[in-house]
Amino acid sequence: QVQLVQSGAEVKKPGASVKVSCKASGYTFTSYGISWVRQAPGQGLEWMGWISAYNGNTNYAQKLQGRVTMTTDTSTSTAYMELRSLRSDDTAVYYCARDFPTVGATTTDYWGQGTLVTVSS
Amino acid sequence: EIVMTQSPATLSVSPGERATLSCRASQSVSSNLAWYQQKPGQAPRLLIYGASTRATGIPARFSGSGSGTEFTLTISSLQSEDFAVYYCQQYNNWPPLLTFGGGTKVEIK
Repeated sequence: QVQLVQSGAEVKKPGASVKVSCKASGYTFTSYGISWVRQAPGQGLEWMGWISAYNGNTNYAQKLQGRVTMTTDTSTSTAYMELRSLRSDDTAVYYCARDFPTVGATTTDYWGQGTLVTVSS
Repeated sequence: EIVMTQSPATLSVSPGERATLSCRASQSVSSNLAWYQQKPGQAPRLLIYGASTRATGIPARFSGSGSGTEFTLTISSLQSEDFAVYYCQQYNNWPPLLTFGGGTKVEIK
């Protein structure tokens, strides 16, 4: 069965960086891309970006350009999301989600359990 | 950037009643529209994709309709486990650039 298992909760100080991992199993990792989505406390879902696990191509949300980097390690079927220069409003649960290809476009189907990142001095 | 607007923000419904949720896109997304259900402390779950196709394992009481800029999610007879927040999402881009609506909370009346 498809599973995405994320790394544990993190507490960071403003200005620091965080790197969240997402280990995939139950499918061929390089056949599907991974999106990252975050959710601030009590708020809605915000898409952060996408990475192809096949060739490493990325597409980042404009508001995070320059602060976010998404990578994959195909040897361990793991995707990573690094966010730098953390601010208090980056406090959120961060999710990874697998591509779900449909006719002509791609959404997401399986999601990780989420990783809480708290930014506080 | 495509903006997704959901209404209402909160919907109060009695168990067994019908719930109708709306989602509007700022420009056409064709049928590249998905609906997700999220319960407290859980990741979102895909309900509908392609505006009207139920995902695997989703009960028939959930149905989606619409195309272009106007979409609807209908829950025909609300069960206790359906009280949750529902998000629409457009995915009409390559490479993927997903946009979510602000969500509709379906609560017990």
